[in-house]
Amino acid sequence: DVKVTQSSRYLVKRTGEKVFLECVQDMDHENMFWYRQDPGLGLRLIYFSYDVKMKEKGDIPEGYSVSREKKERFSLILESASTNQTSMYLCASSTEDNEQFFGPGTRLTVL
Amino acid sequence: LAKTTQPISMDSYEGQEVNITCSHNNIATNDYITWYQQFPSQGPRFIIQGYKTKVTNEVASLFIPADRKSSTLSLPRVSLSDTAVYYCLVGDMDTGRRALTFGSGTRLQVQP
Repeated sequence: DVKVTQSSRYLVKRTGEKVFLECVQDMDHENMFWYRQDPGLGLRLIYFSYDVKMKEKGDIPEGYSVSREKKERFSLILESASTNQTSMYLCASSTEDNEQFFGPGTRLTVL
Repeated sequence: LAKTTQPISMDSYEGQEVNITCSHNNIATNDYITWYQQFPSQGPRFIIQGYKTKVTNEVASLFIPADRKSSTLSLPRVSLSDTAVYYCLVGDMDTGRRALTFGSGTRLQVQP
């Protein structure tokens, strides 16, 4: 079975902190994604990557950056966390035919 | 990326067939249609994908008319465990374009 793991299920940070969310997949997928999910807004794409060291902005990249140094790992970085970044963050990886496999999510609270 | 529109919520009873329709008027030639299911506190899970006509798997059927401007996810004989949010997505399958856009989804509530 494909497994996508995220470093934390729950995270609490303070405004202005630098936050790292880590995602690892074990199926050698080339494509990886970061989404955030908020009530009433569904999933919104932040960034995605279709190869090591490659990244593309999604619909809401502002306030975020990403890093893909190895194929299996895709990191989301909040340079200076703000309260409006309190959300559920979901990582996914996908096969060649674009079937996406999601991790369990990280619920981030910024105080 | 093509935008999708689907009902915000639907109610059903156990044992009924549920059809959720999604409209995607500006779907492009290279776009596939994909449906995902999401339970509370979990990430979405792939259900079914198609390009045209009808696709069926062990979980659902997907009906796509000839103009491909809409699609219908059909869940046969739903149970309480089918209560979830269902997302319709269209996505470009060309090389290098792997991003999909999730909308707000349809919240299906199955009653006993």
